[in-house]
Amino acid sequence: DIQMTQSPSSLSAYVGDRVTITCRANQSVARFLNWYQQKPARAPKLLVYAASTLQSGVPSRFIGSGHGREFTLTITALQPEDFATYSCQQGHAVPWTFGQGTKVEI
Amino acid sequence: QVQLQESGPGLVKPSQTLSLICSVSGDSIGSDKYYWTWIRQSAGRGLEWIGRVYASGSTYYNPSLKSRVTMSIDTSKSQFSLRLSSVTAADTAVYYCARDVYNSGWIYLDSWGQGALVTVSS
Repeated sequence: DIQMTQSPSSLSAYVGDRVTITCRANQSVARFLNWYQQKPARAPKLLVYAASTLQSGVPSRFIGSGHGREFTLTITALQPEDFATYSCQQGHAVPWTFGQGTKVEI
Repeated sequence: QVQLQESGPGLVKPSQTLSLICSVSGDSIGSDKYYWTWIRQSAGRGLEWIGRVYASGSTYYNPSLKSRVTMSIDTSKSQFSLRLSSVTAADTAVYYCARDVYNSGWIYLDSWGQGALVTVSS
């Protein structure tokens, strides 16, 4: 299985901050990397697919980048509704695998 | 707008079989653009992909669970299902059904059910 590792596991930030989350794979996943946002007691919500393509309806302050083994999700100006847990997922080889999540909190 | 909804017992005894159904509305479960997927989430293991079923009935399971998992699809009822046998406390989790989309060569989980908490306990 492809292992996905995120850093940091959690971070504290203020509204308006620029936040960057990193996701690393133990082997290349090309650009088959997706990002999800999850709020407490809710299902994950797709934010970015193909490493950098925003899902329809997702605000442009979310920016995905990277290819191969290293990827980042940047939130350019954190909004109150962005406090959540963010997870990466590789779609290169089954079984799909996820990072352990990064909790963004105040 | 596709909607997915999990249903099934919230409590299962150890060694028994966990059974869940996902009902799909708002889109065709028979479309060849999608795989229908089960994912679980527990505090200890985060998000874990269990497997997927295609409209034709073909399946792929996570090797870590393959010996205990069975998935099926009923396009006439717009439902797909998960069975996990010989459960233990380690199978306690929130179980999600989701739609895996193949779009221009890219693959992603674009729609999720709300999740169903299943507790394994006697």
